Amino acid sequence: GAVVSQHPSRVICKSGTSVKIECRSLDFQATTMFWYRQFPKKSLMLMATSNEGSKATYEQGVEKDKFLINHASLTLSTLTVTSAHPEDSSFYICSARGAADQPQHFGDGTRLSIL
Amino acid sequence: GDSVTQMEGPVTLSEEACLTINCTYTATGYPSLFWYVQYPGEGLQLLLKATKADDKGSNKGFEATYRKETTSFHLEKGSVQVSDSAVYFCALNPSGNTGKLIFGQGTTLQVKP
Repeated sequence: GAVVSQHPSRVICKSGTSVKIECRSLDFQATTMFWYRQFPKKSLMLMATSNEGSKATYEQGVEKDKFLINHASLTLSTLTVTSAHPEDSSFYICSARGAADQPQHFGDGTRLSIL
Repeated sequence: GDSVTQMEGPVTLSEEACLTINCTYTATGYPSLFWYVQYPGEGLQLLLKATKADDKGSNKGFEATYRKETTSFHLEKGSVQVSDSAVYFCALNPSGNTGKLIFGQGTTLQVKP
């Protein structure tokens, strides 16, 4: 079946550094990718939707300059957390889908810890 | 705005017990409804879905019926197994098929032998 690979699975960084998370669709062309954030014992919160070749659409309250999303190809989207601080520590999950009537396939998530 | 509310967990059951995980939603129009499952150490997987009122989604012995009159999509299974232990998320896709998903907070299910 369709597989989405997310990398890295875990990252620990010092405050002030920028962190890049990759999301790849391995066996299908991902027209649309979604980035979610999950707090402990909370639901997944959609951060942004990205379509290949165009700017990402951010949800209300998500800082676009803080969370940079690039979707330059049909198989890769990246989320860069710029100048990360401890409050950015969280579990970030991506998903990808092909055509609009296709289901989303999720990555395994990235645990980000900022010291 | 649109939202999904799930019952609090964790839910702990013995093997072969009946399972119900409640899910209610608030949305305008006619959203699509989903249940996702996250097994330990893995990503979310689509378990079942329903796209219109009175539809019943089913998979792996799990069922859920789209009830518009009660705005509910409760997940049920007649006999759970240890291998069903996971976190279950109810979600909706708002009308208009934007693709975005709005999730409930997740319910942890623990099945003991």
